[in-house]
Amino acid sequence: EVQLVESGGGLVQPGRSLRLSCTASGFTFGEHAMSWFRQAPGKGLEWVGFIRSKVFGGTIEYAASVKGRFTISRDDSKNSAYLHMDSLKTEDTAVYYCTRGGGRYCSGGSCYSRWWFDPWGQGTLVTVSS
Amino acid sequence: QSALTQPASVSGSPGQSITISCTGTSSDIGGYNYVSWYQQHPGKAPKLMIYDVSNRPSGVSNRFSGSKSGNTASLTISGLQAEDEADYYCSSYISAGTLVVFGGGTKLTVL
Repeated sequence: EVQLVESGGGLVQPGRSLRLSCTASGFTFGEHAMSWFRQAPGKGLEWVGFIRSKVFGGTIEYAASVKGRFTISRDDSKNSAYLHMDSLKTEDTAVYYCTRGGGRYCSGGSCYSRWWFDPWGQGTLVTVSS
Repeated sequence: QSALTQPASVSGSPGQSITISCTGTSSDIGGYNYVSWYQQHPGKAPKLMIYDVSNRPSGVSNRFSGSKSGNTASLTISGLQAEDEADYYCSSYISAGTLVVFGGGTKLTVL
């Protein structure tokens, strides 16, 4: 079964840091880009950023709202992706989801754009409050 | 304000069909066939229902279908069932800046 499990959320004071983890199973993690999204309480979905697979350089893209404060990384040996959040603001309060997808994907000699996201982890709540 | 525009709510009776629209621009929906749709039940993670405008992932009911015309994408659910009641979000690749944009979500009520 293809599965993603996030961890690391919690209550943090404004200005502090937090690192979220996403552990994958059921697929070849290193072949896929991994993305992070968030959803503020009662609001819609917002893309946070994604990290490409090593085949595509492992480069990273961020949403403007988090660029310079958030850092996405991956450790293919641990089937894990990470979201390191610095200088947290109250408006960063949200459920954070990791998903598989984004950018280009190659399989069986064919490559294509994969701008859909599946599966999604269960999410982890980050509350930024004093 | 979301980059893509969806109706806040739609409703239908069991067995009926409904369509949810999602309007963008030539920089997102109109320029690429990278529209996807997600279903989200309260307190749950989103679930992919349609990708690349009209493709259905394995395991998703064929009652769900997607289409696109110009800058507007649509999700149609036929034969409405009680378990279809959820929030639905459209998403698209966008060529500048953000890369991925969403609609504000549509709450589907099955009467």
